Amino acid sequence: DSGVTQTPKHLITATGQRVTLRCSPRSGDLSVYWYQQSLDQGLQFLIQYYNGEERAKGNILERFSAQQFPDLHSELNLSSLELGDSALYFCASSPRASGGRTYNEQFFGPGTRLTVL
Amino acid sequence: ELKVEQNPLFLSMQEGKNYTIYCNYSTTSDRLYWYRQDPGKSLESLFVLLSNGAVKQEGRLMASLDTKARLSTLHITAAVHDLSATYFCAVDMVNTPLVFGKGTRLSVIA
Repeated sequence: DSGVTQTPKHLITATGQRVTLRCSPRSGDLSVYWYQQSLDQGLQFLIQYYNGEERAKGNILERFSAQQFPDLHSELNLSSLELGDSALYFCASSPRASGGRTYNEQFFGPGTRLTVL
Repeated sequence: ELKVEQNPLFLSMQEGKNYTIYCNYSTTSDRLYWYRQDPGKSLESLFVLLSNGAVKQEGRLMASLDTKARLSTLHITAAVHDLSATYFCAVDMVNTPLVFGKGTRLSVIA
């Protein structure tokens, strides 16, 4: 158990709908990362938040948005869902914004499996 | 832009054999991580390599880092079925999130 929690574990919805995925980082970690993993695309970095602020952006679609709250939990909002959005969505957390003078290992949550029908 | 390449991407090996997975990266870094992922499961941290020449071993897996060659290896000794999984390397740099390789899907067969 990494200490990172994600809810829900599974989500089934229809095209055009909107869903929210939730992540609670490990105690003491200030950074939260979101990844999408589908069969044909591998592990894709979406976005990072550090202490409530957006820190880095990856391949995140405009239909997707995220935020990190004062208690450091994070939510990933996916809207106007398409069939191709079906994937495993992982949240990870780390102590710092990035590797500086010390390392910044990421710890992954169990994931949310999203199925869009 | 940092690029991380793993090879092979797919590996089928017999039980009892040895093999090595390679992770090459394009920019100077002295911090590299290896993760394991079972099908449909999360990524689990295996090794943290923090300096040139670092070597870590856990059971039948041994990871090493050569920062001058920008290369990390994950060596599998006497493979067993339980090692079947996807293995990712990830490189850590200042001011960027981890950059992951595409993963090596390992299948150990009898």
